[in-house]
Amino acid sequence: GDSVTQMEGPVTLSEEAFLTINCTYTATGYPSLFWYVQYPGEGLQLLLKATKADDKGSNKGFEATYRKETTSFHLEKGSVQVSDSAVYFCALRSNFNKFYFGSGTKLNVKP
Amino acid sequence: DTGVSQDPRHKITKRGQNVTFRCDPISEHNRLYWYRQTLGQGPEFLTYFQNEAQLEKSRLLSDRFSAERPKGSFSTLEIQRTEQGDSAMYLCASSLETGGMNTEAFFGQGTRLTVV
Repeated sequence: GDSVTQMEGPVTLSEEAFLTINCTYTATGYPSLFWYVQYPGEGLQLLLKATKADDKGSNKGFEATYRKETTSFHLEKGSVQVSDSAVYFCALRSNFNKFYFGSGTKLNVKP
Repeated sequence: DTGVSQDPRHKITKRGQNVTFRCDPISEHNRLYWYRQTLGQGPEFLTYFQNEAQLEKSRLLSDRFSAERPKGSFSTLEIQRTEQGDSAMYLCASSLETGGMNTEAFFGQGTRLTVV
């Protein structure tokens, strides 16, 4: 069945450091891939998405490229800020069905 | 549009009591999802609706859980005879399905349930 695996956290970085959060997936069909972000006490907010292989999703300085050959969708940001501290979830959706989420990666950015 | 709304935001109940949560999706969205999230975990699928039809229900969901979307707009999730293990954040999400691609879902802020 469909599933998402993402790196365990927490990830602790200093401000302006480079961020990578790894995400790999298993899916039937042709999934769309998503990154969601969750701030404390809040629901999930869509950060970026990619709907087909080789697409790059980007938003607020974050990027992720849909790599079909490696079944990956790693999240990157060149220079993190304290305000980026949150939990990040990788997700997939295929065949117009439900979403599958990874277990989340907590990011702590220190000033 | 104010996005997906959930009510209440917080609910504390005694074990054995029934609770009901409400979700109002984005107005034109025809699909509605319920997920449950426990501390340190990703959202776990419960059920989803296309308009008023419940298309899938998780096998992990016991008979104590029931969801409705009677007119294809708002939805309710009821938990009967609550147990301490039901304590979690209950998330509702909605999306507009046109059949063209796997679109994103928009989430509400969740209802945090604490069973004491």
